[in-house]
Amino acid sequence: NAGVMQNPRHLVRRRGQEARLRCSPMKGHSHVYWYRQLPEEGLKFMVYLQKENIIDESGMPKERFSAEFPKEGPSILRIQQVVRGDSAAYFCASSPPGRRQETQYFGPGTRLLVL
Amino acid sequence: TQLLEQSPQFLSIQEGENLTVYCNSSSVFSSLQWYRQEPGEGPVLLVTVVTGGEVKKLKRLTFQFGDARKDSSLHITAAQPGDTGLYLCAGARYGNKLVFGAGTILRVKS
Repeated sequence: NAGVMQNPRHLVRRRGQEARLRCSPMKGHSHVYWYRQLPEEGLKFMVYLQKENIIDESGMPKERFSAEFPKEGPSILRIQQVVRGDSAAYFCASSPPGRRQETQYFGPGTRLLVL
Repeated sequence: TQLLEQSPQFLSIQEGENLTVYCNSSSVFSSLQWYRQEPGEGPVLLVTVVTGGEVKKLKRLTFQFGDARKDSSLHITAAQPGDTGLYLCAGARYGNKLVFGAGTILRVKS
């Protein structure tokens, strides 16, 4: 019973490049969330998606960041024209449908380093 | 503004001692989760509490959700070095995004 999978685990990008982070939710889970953990800070919500829909993107920076969860395939968090301040650990979580959807299971994270 | 205040920030104790971590807020949560995070890994779910006054036990760990669903505590009995890690509380407010506390770094010395 595989958990939430994220890849890559580590990503190095130069300023101005694009970063693509992938997340495969647990089997049977239809809700995906992205969180960011900046150095010396706690986890902060970015976006909540269901298949083909963005439900809540209130924590997502307005520019350069986008997320999708297509009908087929993993959820993607895309950061365009990365800057040094984007260096952080990005975590994906998933939850099952129904009343238990508030319980979220996290993946191992992608550590992004922008040079 | 930190919606969830977690305390203490750091805790260093001897093996066999007991400890309590607190998570407090002025806001009501529909549920609250406790996670443990190891360096370089993602948070691992320990428990979800949903009912005011609820108490859940997980071996030597006891979790309590306040009657008003604004606060929670994690109590560890007879701590062991294997309990060392970062403990996080996270609350959901009738929606799906979790609000996290800043975390408690626990170190248990043998």
